[in-house]
Amino acid sequence: QVQLQQSGPGLVKPSQTLSLTCAISGDSVSTNSAAWNWIRQSPSRGLEWLGRTYYRSKWYNDYAVSVKSRITINPDTSKNHFSLQLYSVTPEDTAVYYCARENLSFSSGSSQFDYWGQGTLVTVSS
Amino acid sequence: DIQMTQSPSSLSASVGDRVTITCQASQDISNYLNWYQQKPGKAPKLLIYDASNLETGVPSRFSGSGSATDFTFTISSLQPEDIATYYCQQYDNLPRTFGQGTRLEIK
Repeated sequence: QVQLQQSGPGLVKPSQTLSLTCAISGDSVSTNSAAWNWIRQSPSRGLEWLGRTYYRSKWYNDYAVSVKSRITINPDTSKNHFSLQLYSVTPEDTAVYYCARENLSFSSGSSQFDYWGQGTLVTVSS
Repeated sequence: DIQMTQSPSSLSASVGDRVTITCQASQDISNYLNWYQQKPGKAPKLLIYDASNLETGVPSRFSGSGSATDFTFTISSLQPEDIATYYCQQYDNLPRTFGQGTRLEIK
């Protein structure tokens, strides 16, 4: 059974960096059959996909254009987790942040977010 | 980006009713669509993948259909535990995008 456990601060000051970690159990961050995603949810933006990291002989990242200039998602194979860093945050980045496994097959084209973390409410405020 | 439009935004129904939610994509996405259920304070839960396939462990009263731009999600007989918000999500392209949600309430 795959489980994702999120950790990180719930309050970040404007212009600073939002950092969250998602610890994986029951799967490997290096698996060839999944990608590891960050998604956020706010009343104004709904569910918004931010980006992902995945391994297919080498590491790849994809990011949403809306945050591409200020986001990094990194895997850590030694700890079997992946992290989100969102730089230069503003109050508009206030949201519940989720990590999620994307069961992903490039051969069949199928993709689903089948496991999610518990969510972290991150408030951007001074 | 592919826009996903759900209707209705909210819905009130009685226990035992048949409930239908629609999702329209802004372009042809084949069957590259999933449906999720989200209860308050919880993460979304996958119910239907590839437009019509029931996720393991999900009750058979949930179903999905459609292709190209028009999709339907149905609960054949509404149960009290189905009170939640439902979302469609496309995976034809990046960025992955979600509908705005349909909030389902008991009448």
